[in-house]
Amino acid sequence: EDKVVQSPLSLVVHEGDTVTLNCSYEVTNFRSLLWYKQEKKAPTFLFMLTSSGIEKKSGRLSSILDKKELFSILNITATQTGDSAVYLCARSNLSSYKLIFGSGTRLLVRP
Amino acid sequence: DADVTQTPRNRITKTGKRIMLECSQTKGHDRMYWYRQDPGLGLRLIYYSFDVKDINKGEISDGYSVSRQAQAKFSLSLESAIPNQTALYFCATSDSSVMGAFFGQGTRLTVV
Repeated sequence: EDKVVQSPLSLVVHEGDTVTLNCSYEVTNFRSLLWYKQEKKAPTFLFMLTSSGIEKKSGRLSSILDKKELFSILNITATQTGDSAVYLCARSNLSSYKLIFGSGTRLLVRP
Repeated sequence: DADVTQTPRNRITKTGKRIMLECSQTKGHDRMYWYRQDPGLGLRLIYYSFDVKDINKGEISDGYSVSRQAQAKFSLSLESAIPNQTALYFCATSDSSVMGAFFGQGTRLTVV
C-alpha cells in the first residue's frame, strides 16, 4: 500500500540551528514529492520534486529527492522562530493525481 | 478573497445529525479534494473529484459523501455524524499539471 513516512515526528531546536527533516515513501509509479508548511491552519506549498538529485532552494529552505532510495529531505538553515510549524510531505503517482500525505514533523524553534 | 473558501469555519453538531461542509474555488482548477486531519495522523484523503460528475473514494470515505455541483464547488456531507468524525477538514484544489495543491483554511468540526 502506498505510504509516506516522515521523521522525526517532532523536533525542538534553537534559533540559528540547522535542521533536516526526512520523508520516505513506498510507491513504484512515482510522479512527484511535495513539501508543505502548516502553521495555524492551511498547509502552504513549499517545493515539488520530480527528478532525483536536483536540489530545490528557496531562501534558507532546500529540498532534494532520491528516487532510487525513495526518500526526500527538507533542510532549513539558520532557523528562526517563524520556522516553527508542522512540515508535511506528500507524494503523487503516475496513475492518479491524488496526494498521499505523511503524518508530518512538528518543528519548534526556540529563541 | 481566498482562492479556496470553506464554509463554515467552525461547527459543533450533535451525534446523528446531517451536516454539509462546502468548498468553493476561484482558481479555475479541475481537481478538488477533501481531506481530514487528526493529531498525529497527517492529512488523509476522503474523496476527490477530477471534474464535474467524476467522484472517487479516497483512503477514508466511509461515513462521508460528496457532491461536485460545478467546477468551482465541491461539498462534503456527513449523513449521520459521529464523535470520531471530530477533526479539521480541508478542501484542496489543483490543476491538471498537478503539482502543488492549494488548500482552504479548514473547517473545524466537533461532533458531541
